[in-house]
Order: sequence, then structure tokens, then C-alpha cells
Amino acid sequence: EAGVAQSPRYKIIEKRQSVAFWCNPISGHATLYWYQQILGQGPKLLIQFQNNGVVDDSQLPKDRFSAERLKGVDSTLKIQPAKLEDSAVYLCASSRDRGSNQPQHFGDGTRLSIL
Amino acid sequence: AQSVTQLDSQVPVFEEAPVELRCNYSSSVSVYLFWYVQYPNQGLQLLLKYLSGSTLVKSINGFEAEFNKSQTSFHLRKPSVHISDTAEYFCAVSEDTGRRALTFGSGTRLQVQP
Repeated sequence: EAGVAQSPRYKIIEKRQSVAFWCNPISGHATLYWYQQILGQGPKLLIQFQNNGVVDDSQLPKDRFSAERLKGVDSTLKIQPAKLEDSAVYLCASSRDRGSNQPQHFGDGTRLSIL
Repeated sequence: AQSVTQLDSQVPVFEEAPVELRCNYSSSVSVYLFWYVQYPNQGLQLLLKYLSGSTLVKSINGFEAEFNKSQTSFHLRKPSVHISDTAEYFCAVSEDTGRRALTFGSGTRLQVQP
């Protein structure tokens, strides 16, 4: 089966600009996650979707970050305006459902650099 | 709230030597435990998982981990490492509440030297 697809792989922007990332999960996976991985740290959950509904966005900086999964399939994550501390790899993952014993499958990520 | 501690940020080891990567977790409820591996410029790949049953779990490439509830640990071991095992290894925990996503440790970089 095809894995989780993410684009772009790399993005360089200046602070205060906006940026968007795209994710297409594994076919049939109802649950989709966005993680932020800062250099030298483990991934941190930003938002979790179940189909097209938000399950957990408690760690999403809502003043600048937004995410949607309108049709319950692919998803976009947006940052506006970007800050220097947003430099990180943004990982998308999916699982069959939101049971906490379900393994998550990760994409290769988008590496964001803020100048 | 759940948390994961990986005490070693880097572990250098010679090829064919044994290795142990340590992981301790904290949670007030039952948990599921995972080890993920990340190669440079790639996403995370599931290495092995503990859900229930036997406390010793094994991967297809020779890694194993043992769930120790009394010590709240899930250490990863391999009796003989290869150069190709060089990567970042992340321990992760998920609480048995049906809602939570994974909480990751800060990672351990395994550097296998010839």
C-alpha cells in the first residue's frame, strides 16, 4: 500500500510570511495527525483529526497555526505569520482509527526553515 | 499526563557489539509502548510495540524490548549491531484511554562505528 505522502519536502521562508503543508494519508485511514519536530527533540503533537473532525488541538498555537481536513482524506497545515521558532520538521501520520493501540504511519515530513 | 524519558541522547557503539537504549515513562493509567526509528531525512518507522500479553517483544531485524511495569521502563536491546542500524530511535507512549496520540521521548542517536 502507498504510504503517507507529504509536500513540499523543504520550504524556506522569511519570518512573518505564510506557508502551507499538504498531507495525503494512507487510503482508508480515518485518523490523521500533525506533529512538529524541532531539531534534537522528539515529535510533538499539534493536532489530531478523526475523519474531518478535530479530536485534539490543545497544543496547536491557534493564533498562527491552522489545519483542516475538509473531506476526511487529505489535510493542510498553515502557519501565518511564521516566527523564527517555527523552524522544524512537520510530520504527518495516519492510523486506521484513533484507538491508542493503533500504530501510526509517518510521512517523510516537510522541513521548514525560517530566515 | 504521560511523559517519556530517554536518558541517553547519543550512544556510540562498535559494529557487532551489543547495545541497550533506555526508555522510562510516566503515566497514571495503563499504557501502550512503542519504539520508532528515524533515518536521516525520513519520517519515523515503527520498530516494535507492546500492547498486551508477553512483556518481551521483538522486531524482524533483531531488536527486542521488554516492558517492565514495576520500573516503568521499556528498554530497547540488540545483541549485535550493524552499521545500518545507525539512526535516531524514539520511545513513545500512548495511554489506554482511546483518545490520546503518542507522546515521544527526545530520542537517542545510535552511532555504530566500524
